[in-house]
Amino acid sequence: GAGVSQSPSNKVTEKGKDVELRCDPISGHTALYWYRQSLGQGLEFLIYFQGNSAPDKSGLPSDRFSAERTGGSVSTLTIQRTQQEDSAVYLCASSDVAGGADTQYFGPGTRLTVL
Amino acid sequence: AQTVTQSQPEMSVQEAETVTLSCTYDTSESNYYLFWYKQPPSRQMILVIRQEAYKQQNATENRFSVNFQKAAKSFSLKISDSQLGDTAMYFCAFMTSGAQKLVFGQGTRLTINP
Repeated sequence: GAGVSQSPSNKVTEKGKDVELRCDPISGHTALYWYRQSLGQGLEFLIYFQGNSAPDKSGLPSDRFSAERTGGSVSTLTIQRTQQEDSAVYLCASSDVAGGADTQYFGPGTRLTVL
Repeated sequence: AQTVTQSQPEMSVQEAETVTLSCTYDTSESNYYLFWYKQPPSRQMILVIRQEAYKQQNATENRFSVNFQKAAKSFSLKISDSQLGDTAMYFCAFMTSGAQKLVFGQGTRLTINP
């Protein structure tokens, strides 16, 4: 079946603008995760959804970052007033059920460049 | 807090050789999971192999196998008969049973030369 998809593939924006990144998980997967991959920080967890609720938002770096998930499916990560340090690849993953027993399957990521 | 360390930033071997990537981790948990992911230039993270900490037997997937040493907190990946398509970044990752997030190492860039 179809894997995790993310859009856009690449996004270039100007400092101070808002951006929205989209993730479509594998059909039927109830858990959804966002990670950020940057040169300086490596791969970092941002937020996790179980259904439409987010029990763990501990990785969101500031209040400029927010995420939502609707219908237990698509998720949107929003970054307000972007800064140059937000430049990174944003990866989304999904799994069948939450917990270590289920492998997380990743999408191809969105490369965000803030000028 | 859990940490994952990959001490080899880059490795390079000839096609058909065997290569071992190292990974160590630090945790006080007893129930956890370990993973190796591969990230080719396409950016897609692909699961290579996983290991449950409660299993003593080392996981294998075709040419890929792990050497899991729980007491030493070591989880190395062995790639046998390496192929050009194995060229990628390899990330070791850790997850505790109760948490929902993967903790990644810094990655090892592996190049397979023809």
